[in-house]
Amino acid sequence: NAGVMQNPRHLVRRRGQEARLRCSPMKGHSHVYWYRQLPEEGLKFMVYLQKENIIDESGMPKERFSAEFPKEGPSILRIQQVVRGDSAAYFCASSPRQGGETQYFGPGTRLLVL
Amino acid sequence: KQEVTQIPAALSVPEGENLVLNCSFTDSAIYNLQWFRQDPGKGLTSLLLIQSSQREQTSGRLNASLDKSSGRSTLYIAASQPGDSATYLCAVRQPSGGGSNYKLTFGKGTLLTVNP
Repeated sequence: NAGVMQNPRHLVRRRGQEARLRCSPMKGHSHVYWYRQLPEEGLKFMVYLQKENIIDESGMPKERFSAEFPKEGPSILRIQQVVRGDSAAYFCASSPRQGGETQYFGPGTRLLVL
Repeated sequence: KQEVTQIPAALSVPEGENLVLNCSFTDSAIYNLQWFRQDPGKGLTSLLLIQSSQREQTSGRLNASLDKSSGRSTLYIAASQPGDSATYLCAVRQPSGGGSNYKLTFGKGTLLTVNP
């Protein structure tokens, strides 16, 4: 059973471009969480999704950021018109059920905005 | 708003030493607390999870304690090894937004270096 997979592992974008980060949860997991780790900061919750639904997006910036988890395929975190402050590690986690169960983390995508 | 603080931010010890990492949280209404390990450029590996009704959990050379009422947890590592060098993260899980949604709040971590 493969773990949580994220790609790309490293992504370089110029200011104003779009960044698309993908997350494939563990097999059998239908709950996905996205976190952002800024330099010298802890991980911050961004969004929690189930298949085709956004459950909690209280940690998402109001503009330029969006997330989806379609019925088929990976979850996507999309950042439009990236700025240097978006440079960070973005981690995805998955769990099999809603609730207080442990989440299994992917290796992260390191985004660098030039 | 929950805030999680980890002290120290960095720790360097010689191999074989026993050590303690500290974690404190401001809101004691937590569901559980989890310790993770993060290696450079890698994801997070769960080490121990303590439910709010528990006082401690042990796994091998690791022992985590939880004092929910005072908002504190410690991670004790016995007989440290160079392979233990990593960043250790503490996270608390709380209900969020009603229903059965939960949210993890992380500390900034303690960077541990174990010198051979």
